[in-house]
Amino acid sequence: DQQVKQNSPSLSVQEGRISILNCDYTNSMFDYFLWYKKYPAEGPTFLISISSIKDKNEDGRFTVFLNKSAKHLSLHIVPSQPGDSAVYFCAVSYNQGGKLIFGQGTELSVKP
Amino acid sequence: NAGVMQNPRHLVRRRGQEARLRCSPMKGHSHVYWYRQLPEEGLKFMVYLQKENIIDESGMPKERFSAEFPKEGPSILRIQQVVRGDSAAYFCASSLGVNSNQPQHFGDGTRLSIL
Repeated sequence: DQQVKQNSPSLSVQEGRISILNCDYTNSMFDYFLWYKKYPAEGPTFLISISSIKDKNEDGRFTVFLNKSAKHLSLHIVPSQPGDSAVYFCAVSYNQGGKLIFGQGTELSVKP
Repeated sequence: NAGVMQNPRHLVRRRGQEARLRCSPMKGHSHVYWYRQLPEEGLKFMVYLQKENIIDESGMPKERFSAEFPKEGPSILRIQQVVRGDSAAYFCASSLGVNSNQPQHFGDGTRLSIL
């Protein structure tokens, strides 16, 4: 029973264009949402987060959007760069702490 | 500027042996989390500890697995009598607290292989 779903296993984007990664969740009690980036043989690296009281958070090239009514989270990367090529995981938690529940990941490939 | 340190990076054990995985959190972090990633899957929560206390072990298998985070020294994830299905990457994360502006930061993992 997957509580957090990333329905696209992979995404390919041209350098300079926008990358949009999507994540859906099932439980309206989740109140803290994060995106992590992972390279092979390394641990996940924290990118950006958003709490349920907001619907948008921006940090440089990265913007996270939260649609609570649709239980949908997205990460926009613009402009995309070849170094952004990695697996991206969304993660959620409730009570704003404690364990994270991860999606299965989306592998992003940014082509020069 | 040490991040979360895990060792060993790779660990090979034969079925029936014990595996001990160590995690030193980031400086100043007192919250530690263990996750497991099986091949072709996302990370799955195992246990959350705060110095000397287990806060949430809802993801830990009921048998053979234990975790501790003593007052001094690293957090240890211990797997007794390992089986082939324990082969996975085990990641440790730490955080300063559990508020929304204190995300979890991960180590590079221990890759456990069972022969």
